Amino acid sequence: DAKTTQPPSMDCAEGRAANLPCNHSTISGNEYVYWYRQIHSQGPQYIIHGLKNNETNEMASLIITEDRKSSTLILPHATLRDTAVYYCIVRVAFWTGNQFYFGTGTSLTVIP
Amino acid sequence: EAQVTQNPRYLITVTGKKLTVTCSQNMNHEYMSWYRQDPGLGLRQIYYSMNVEVTDKGDVPEGYKVSRKEKRNFPLILESPSPNQTSLYFCASSTLQGAEDTQYFGPGTRLTVL
Repeated sequence: DAKTTQPPSMDCAEGRAANLPCNHSTISGNEYVYWYRQIHSQGPQYIIHGLKNNETNEMASLIITEDRKSSTLILPHATLRDTAVYYCIVRVAFWTGNQFYFGTGTSLTVIP
Repeated sequence: EAQVTQNPRYLITVTGKKLTVTCSQNMNHEYMSWYRQDPGLGLRQIYYSMNVEVTDKGDVPEGYKVSRKEKRNFPLILESPSPNQTSLYFCASSTLQGAEDTQYFGPGTRLTVL
C-alpha cells in the first residue's frame, strides 16, 4: 500500500501561492514527511521536511495537520521555474538505515 | 563541487548480460541509496547503505545487488538483467549527522534491457 497519495496534477497562476496536498494517513509517530521536486528527468531536488511542526525555509513552507495524517507544501509566489513534479515522501527509520517511500507525485504547471 | 556522479548515463543491453552502474559521491556522506523510477510509479527505493559494509533492502530489491566497500562508492549490480528492469535509475547520498539528512541525487542512468 502506498504510504502517500497526491493529486496527479495541478495548475497555478504565476505569482500566486501554490498549495500542494499530500495524504499520509498511516504515518507513524517517528516518521518524517519530506518534499522533493523533479524537473524533467533530472535528479530530484530537496525542498523541505518536517515531523510535526510547521516548517519554513527559503523555498517553501510545510504545513502538517495536528493528527499528522496530511500535509501541504506551499510555494508562496510560484514562478515558471517552479513547474515540476513534486513528491511527498515518508521516511521510515530502521536500525539499518532510513527507507524513503515516494508518492507518485503531483505535476505542477505554473501558468503565465 | 559537491556532487553525486553516475556512470553510465545511458545503457542499452540484452537480457542476461551482467552489468554494473557506478555511483560516487565526494561529500563524505555516510548514507547512500539507489532508486528506480518508472512511469506512474514515482521513485522506489532498491537498496540503501548506512555506511561501509552496511547495506539493506529497500522496497524493490529483487534482481539487484549492491556493495559498499568504500565510503564514496555504491555500485548497483544487475547479475542477469531482464526487460522489466528497464528504467531510470538514481543514486543518492546524504549525511546522517543531526536532522539534516537531505539526499543529494545523481543525474540518473537510463537503462534499457532488450
